[in-house]
Amino acid sequence: GAVVSQHPSWVICKSGTSVKIECRSLDFQATTMFWYRQFPKQSLMLMATSNEGSKATYEQGVEKDKFLINHASLTLSTLTVTSAHPEDSSFYICSALGLDTGELFFGEGSRLTVL
Amino acid sequence: AQKITQTQPGMFVQEKEAVTLDCTYDTSDQSYGLFWYKQPSSGEMIFLIYQGSYDEQNATEGRYSLNFQKARKSTNLVISASQLGDSAMYFCAMREGNFGNEKLTFGTGTRLTIIP
Repeated sequence: GAVVSQHPSWVICKSGTSVKIECRSLDFQATTMFWYRQFPKQSLMLMATSNEGSKATYEQGVEKDKFLINHASLTLSTLTVTSAHPEDSSFYICSALGLDTGELFFGEGSRLTVL
Repeated sequence: AQKITQTQPGMFVQEKEAVTLDCTYDTSDQSYGLFWYKQPSSGEMIFLIYQGSYDEQNATEGRYSLNFQKARKSTNLVISASQLGDSAMYFCAMREGNFGNEKLTFGTGTRLTIIP
């Protein structure tokens, strides 16, 4: 089956630094990728939708200058948390929409801890 | 307004019994998709089953089946013969929008615990 890979799985960083999370579709092309954030014991909250070659569409309340999303190719989207603070600590999950099948596949998630 | 509503924050079910997880949704789109995902403690999202809005038959996938009632805007997940490994968070989700403008919205989830 199709696989979406996220990297890194775990990251611990100091407050004020920036962290980049990659989301790759390994065996299919994804025109659309979604980025979610999940706090402990809560649901997945959609942060933004990225379409290959165009600017990401951010959900209300999500700071686009803080959460930079780049979707430069049909197999890679990146989320950069800029000037991270402890309140940004969360589980970030990406999902990719298959170009041909329309199926949706999730990455394994990336757990960010900001000290 | 909540797009996806899961009214059961937690459920405890005896092993081997069937369990129904509730989900209602709200959309004005004619074409949409409904998903159920399982999230174990490891955090990964595991796709379970899908129902398209135009599908007339209830979707089934092994021990998972959907009770899709379009007029009521509900899509309940039925797990038959529950197993200890079924203990996890379960999320209902809805996909709306057209190509290039899709959005997948999740419910608040139900934590299912299977009791031996």
